[in-house]
Amino acid sequence: DAKTTQPPSMDCAEGRAANLPCNHSTISGNEYVYWYRQIHSQGPQYIIHGLKNNETNEMASLIITEDRKSSTLILPHATLRDTAVYYCIVRPNTNDYKLSFGAGTTVTVRA
Amino acid sequence: GAVVSQHPSRVICKSGTSVKIECRSLDFQATTMFWYRQFPKQSLMLMATSNEGSKATYEQGVEKDKFLINHASLTLSTLTVTSAHPEDSSFYICSASAGRGEKLFFGSGTQLSVL
Repeated sequence: DAKTTQPPSMDCAEGRAANLPCNHSTISGNEYVYWYRQIHSQGPQYIIHGLKNNETNEMASLIITEDRKSSTLILPHATLRDTAVYYCIVRPNTNDYKLSFGAGTTVTVRA
Repeated sequence: GAVVSQHPSRVICKSGTSVKIECRSLDFQATTMFWYRQFPKQSLMLMATSNEGSKATYEQGVEKDKFLINHASLTLSTLTVTSAHPEDSSFYICSASAGRGEKLFFGSGTQLSVL
């Protein structure tokens, strides 16, 4: 019952922006878009989340379309350490609501 | 940001023994914690939701008698893999919610190898 669709993999060049797309056409009104990443053999790391407005923090920017059916995570200047599996997840913004992980996008940053 | 500590990071045990994994929220109180399992080259699979002071809620297909979860305090949840077998070998990860539940923070994971 995957609620998001992401490309399985993508490459990007070190120093360039990486744009990671995510489709979530069945998103509900109370669901937020979350992005996490997992570097090999580590626990997932929170990146950013948003409801409908674009968001930016020290790690990335999140662009959500006006109809909320898709979003793009932007890593402004990719480094080799950004190589990871990136997960786009939709979830209500409550304490006890689980995160359900799909397959994610394997991002490889190349020198 | 909030820190979730998971211990041990790696454990090797003999088949038939039990293994306990601890998950602690270090600088916040977590009424809800989640336990995940991840097999090689696969995504994280939710095993159970752990609520402080009450019984855990297990996902379909996860044996509650085999994977014992205890969440006795607001900062500690434990997962015990009872009578472990080689097929239980996996990467186990916990997560906890801080504040209003906006973010879930994850432990660093425990690699369990059952011989």
